Amino acid sequence: GESVGLHLPTLSVQEGDNSIINCAYSNSASDYFIWYKQESGKGPQFIIDIRSNMDKRQGQRVTVLLNKTVKHLSLQIAATQPGDSAVYFCAENYNQAGTALIFGKGTTLSVSS
Amino acid sequence: DGGITQSPKYLFRKEGQNVTLSCEQNLNHDAMYWYRQDPGQGLRLIYYSQIVNDFQKGDIAEGYSVSREKKESFPLTVTSAQKNPTAFYLCASSIPGAGGNTEAFFGQGTRLTVV
Repeated sequence: GESVGLHLPTLSVQEGDNSIINCAYSNSASDYFIWYKQESGKGPQFIIDIRSNMDKRQGQRVTVLLNKTVKHLSLQIAATQPGDSAVYFCAENYNQAGTALIFGKGTTLSVSS
Repeated sequence: DGGITQSPKYLFRKEGQNVTLSCEQNLNHDAMYWYRQDPGQGLRLIYYSQIVNDFQKGDIAEGYSVSREKKESFPLTVTSAQKNPTAFYLCASSIPGAGGNTEAFFGQGTRLTVV
């Protein structure tokens, strides 16, 4: 698999590899985090979320890791497929009335077969 | 089907004109949001509303206006005061969860081009 350090705008992998996309979040008070996938010309789609009382959460082929000490979030995609090619955004929020999700800059994942 | 509908998908506007982007949801969500996305960039918050008849400015509210007269509708007006309105506009909605925040569901976006 291939991994990146703190946010890089693009990541290219081979089909079948594992992908790791990283995100540094900004607010130490944030307690809720989401990863979204956005395909060209479409709205973002929910992938997986995690709350600050957890370090890891797994979904189908995806895992999100949260390191609150360094304010770092990562998305791991197992056995990456061409259909995974998209832009991936992390988003953060904190549990306070009148707040909204804050989005990171996004990483473009390209999967070649 | 439940979801968020944005219309139109593509919109062209002449400089100096106001234009209104539609956003309707039938998810019974209290909260609605407008984001702007520029090419190769992340989403930036324009306005959001946690409840009917109430809304707050986001990070880039200048040149935009909104209304929230009904729970299911949150239209965005791009005014002539917005200096660079060409962008992809995304509307979203969510349930402000009692135990914490919840995911936001997005529409398919409106691409606005000023000609």
